[in-house]
Amino acid sequence: DAGVTQSPTHLIKTRGQHVTLRCSPISGHKSVSWYQQVLGQGPQFIFQYYEKEERGRGNFPDRFSARQFPNYSSELNVNALLLGDSALYLCASSLEEVGWTFFGQGTRLTVV
Amino acid sequence: AQSVTQLGSHVSVSEGALVLLRCNYSSSVPPYLFWYVQYPNQGLQLLLKYTSAATLVKGINGFEAEFKKSETSFHLTKPSAHMSDAAEYFCAVRRMDSSYKLIFGSGTRLLVRP
Repeated sequence: DAGVTQSPTHLIKTRGQHVTLRCSPISGHKSVSWYQQVLGQGPQFIFQYYEKEERGRGNFPDRFSARQFPNYSSELNVNALLLGDSALYLCASSLEEVGWTFFGQGTRLTVV
Repeated sequence: AQSVTQLGSHVSVSEGALVLLRCNYSSSVPPYLFWYVQYPNQGLQLLLKYTSAATLVKGINGFEAEFKKSETSFHLTKPSAHMSDAAEYFCAVRRMDSSYKLIFGSGTRLLVRP
């Protein structure tokens, strides 16, 4: 069975640009969460979506947004990129709103 | 509020030696506790989880952790380190009362010497 898949695996953007990261959850999982992991730190919670509704939001600026589609896949969007947005972005899925969390391989974003 | 503290950003052991990675948590309500492992350039893999069913939790790859409420600790151990155990290890906490987000510690990098 496929795990959580994320695309792209790596990308490089310029300051001020916009980026969209994509995530497909484990088949049957209805909840998707996004985390940001800056080099040398633990992951920080950004968003959780369940059944296409936002269920939680971490302490991130409004430049960060996300959505979940009817097939439960999800996108994370970041506008007006800053150098400090360079990080590994992890997507995680769980079967239910409060369920065991399984992570994807992440998207490495570098902002130059 | 919840938080996790991992003591020691780097731990170095010899192959075959005991592995001990420390995690202390703070939570105002009963928590779920987790250990995840991250290999270079990869995502997080769940090693084990505490759900209140048993205080000693066994995970994958020979790892185990013991929940000690009195010490607010959830240390990760493995009797004999293997070279393949070299990775970053993260302790995480989540509320039992329906909260969804994981709160992670800053991680401990395990180095295994031949």
